[in-house]
Amino acid sequence: AQKITQTQPGMFVQEKEAVTLDCTYDTSDQSYGLFWYKQPSSGEMIFLIYQGSYDEQNATEGRYSLNFQKARKSANLVISASQLGDSAMYFCAMREGNQGGKLIFGQGTELSVKP
Amino acid sequence: GAVVSQHPSWVICKSGTSVKIECRSLDFQATTMFWYRQFPKQSLMLMATSNEGSKATYEQGVEKDKFLINHASLTLSTLTVTSAHPEDSSFYICSAKRLAGSSYNEQFFGPGTRLTVL
Repeated sequence: AQKITQTQPGMFVQEKEAVTLDCTYDTSDQSYGLFWYKQPSSGEMIFLIYQGSYDEQNATEGRYSLNFQKARKSANLVISASQLGDSAMYFCAMREGNQGGKLIFGQGTELSVKP
Repeated sequence: GAVVSQHPSWVICKSGTSVKIECRSLDFQATTMFWYRQFPKQSLMLMATSNEGSKATYEQGVEKDKFLINHASLTLSTLTVTSAHPEDSSFYICSAKRLAGSSYNEQFFGPGTRLTVL
């Protein structure tokens, strides 16, 4: 079974608008971490935001916020005020508490920002 | 801080040859390094977990005799693709887990190596 699911292969958003990228996860661990990474065409993985399973508040980092709904096992990324430079692949990832730190990635969502 | 480098950034080789990719943590010590493979338009798939001074742990379906991993020091791990074939052409990315520090963002990615096997 997929542990991390991103159901949107591609998304379009108008410049300056907000966009939500979906991510659901599956784990039986109580302690886990959820990450979002951006991968531009150059291939580098850029860390965006982190949410711990015990964090009560949704994580925010500048224009990025994570809508964490634990009961629904979802961790959607919200990008506000989209910029042309936000066009890239976005990956959701999970680190389970007892797995030595390895990350499991979702399939990714390709975001295109239109001028 | 927390910079990870990979060398080479791209390599083209003939079928049947071996290729070594290096992953270095430049400004921190890494207890663990991870190797991922990514095919075009696909996700990152974990190949193996490399711990300094011990044998690597390979994910199911990854041939350990084909993808040799050595983690000789706290700052260097190498991945050798032996007897490479065109189907091994891919983007290989490493990440390094910092030895010390309590930051949740304890894993840092290298820039990747694009391997093309002719």
